[in-house]
Amino acid sequence: EAEVAQSPRYKITEKSQAVAFWCDPISGHATLYWYRQILGQGPELLVQFQDESVVDDSQLPKDRFSAERLKGVDSTLKIQPAELGDSAMYLCASSFDRYNEQFFGPGTRLTVL
Amino acid sequence: AQSVTQLGSHVSVSEGALVLLRCNYSSSVPPYLFWYVQYPNQGLQLLLKYTTGATLVKGINGFEAEFKKSETSFHLTKPSAHMSDAAEYFCAVSGTSGTYKYIFGTGTRLKVLA
Repeated sequence: EAEVAQSPRYKITEKSQAVAFWCDPISGHATLYWYRQILGQGPELLVQFQDESVVDDSQLPKDRFSAERLKGVDSTLKIQPAELGDSAMYLCASSFDRYNEQFFGPGTRLTVL
Repeated sequence: AQSVTQLGSHVSVSEGALVLLRCNYSSSVPPYLFWYVQYPNQGLQLLLKYTTGATLVKGINGFEAEFKKSETSFHLTKPSAHMSDAAEYFCAVSGTSGTYKYIFGTGTRLKVLA
């Protein structure tokens, strides 16, 4: 069964450092999502791509976060510089299109010290 | 704006007992509704979804949910709990136009007692 791949699974960094997360969606899925899930809360959408274009980044802290999906396939989410409050699980999801259900990857758990 | 409320951040049931996890939504138009399950340090797995049609939706692992428009609810049930059901459950709502953005509830952690 096809799955969404994410790496790394765990990342520990010090504040002010740069971190990057990678996501490979299910083959053929045009829509890709990055979520942040703070411990004890539900996921919150950071950015949504349709192919290589951003369609929603209203909750992305653009002063420090950036996301790209250059060829409309895999995607990278970057944080620079990381802050203590960025400690969370970062989840990637994909769907065939925006009308269909989202499939989630295993996530990257980020700890900022 | 849409929102989701999950009543009870923690629910405990005995093995074999009925599971009932509550979800209420707020939306100006009938939304799409979802239940996801999350095991520790894993991503979310779709249990079931309601888009249109039959209001009683059956999902995987014996779970089902009923969309009640008059009560703006989408509660998740399972007749008999199993130890493997222990996990965190999230209700989500999405619009039916635009970006179809998901709004998640804060989750309910289910504990199954032997």
